[in-house]
Amino acid sequence: NAGVIQTPRHKVTGKGQEATLWCEPISGHSAVFWYRQTIVQGLEFLTYFRNQAPIDDSGMPKERFSAQMPNQSHSTLKIQSTQPQDSAVYLCASSTTGEVFFGKGTRLTVV
Amino acid sequence: GEKVEQHESTLSVREGDSAVINCTYTDTASSYFPWYKQEAGKSLHFVIDIRSNVDRKQSQRLIVLLDKKAKRFSLHITATQPEDSAIYFCAASNNNNNAPRFGAGTKLSVKP
Repeated sequence: NAGVIQTPRHKVTGKGQEATLWCEPISGHSAVFWYRQTIVQGLEFLTYFRNQAPIDDSGMPKERFSAQMPNQSHSTLKIQSTQPQDSAVYLCASSTTGEVFFGKGTRLTVV
Repeated sequence: GEKVEQHESTLSVREGDSAVINCTYTDTASSYFPWYKQEAGKSLHFVIDIRSNVDRKQSQRLIVLLDKKAKRFSLHITATQPEDSAIYFCAASNNNNNAPRFGAGTKLSVKP
């Protein structure tokens, strides 16, 4: 069990460019979560899928952020027209019921 | 939606002492309260949880208390060791199609 796999581990984008972050949840896990971690805001919830269906995206900034789960083995978080305030560690996590397992995160830096 | 507040942003204790981290939540429907540990440069990993059908749970040196009336829960680490130094996050969810919401984290330092 390799755990939740996130790629890339680090990404640097120029302001205004697009960034796509990838997540491979643990096989058999039905729930996939995306969070964003910054020193100022802490651990913010972004969005959540269960059995590939979007359940709650209430934490997503509406205009530039989108997430998809096209199959049970991966999810993507796309940020269009990245801004410096998007710089953060983006964490993907998965679970069945109860304990949530986190990936190592993608550190996004917008310059 | 659920909001979780973690009261201590930093906590420093001497090795062997106990450490207590307190959290409050807002949604009375929340029924599942996990705690996660994040060591320097690493991601979060689960340490202990409690469900709303009990008010106390212990796993070795970790004790979690839940006060549903006050919407408050706490993590007690007894006989602290330097390797307990990390950031601890509390979370709450209703476990019914609801993603856990996390507190801001408490940086615990255990000094030898």
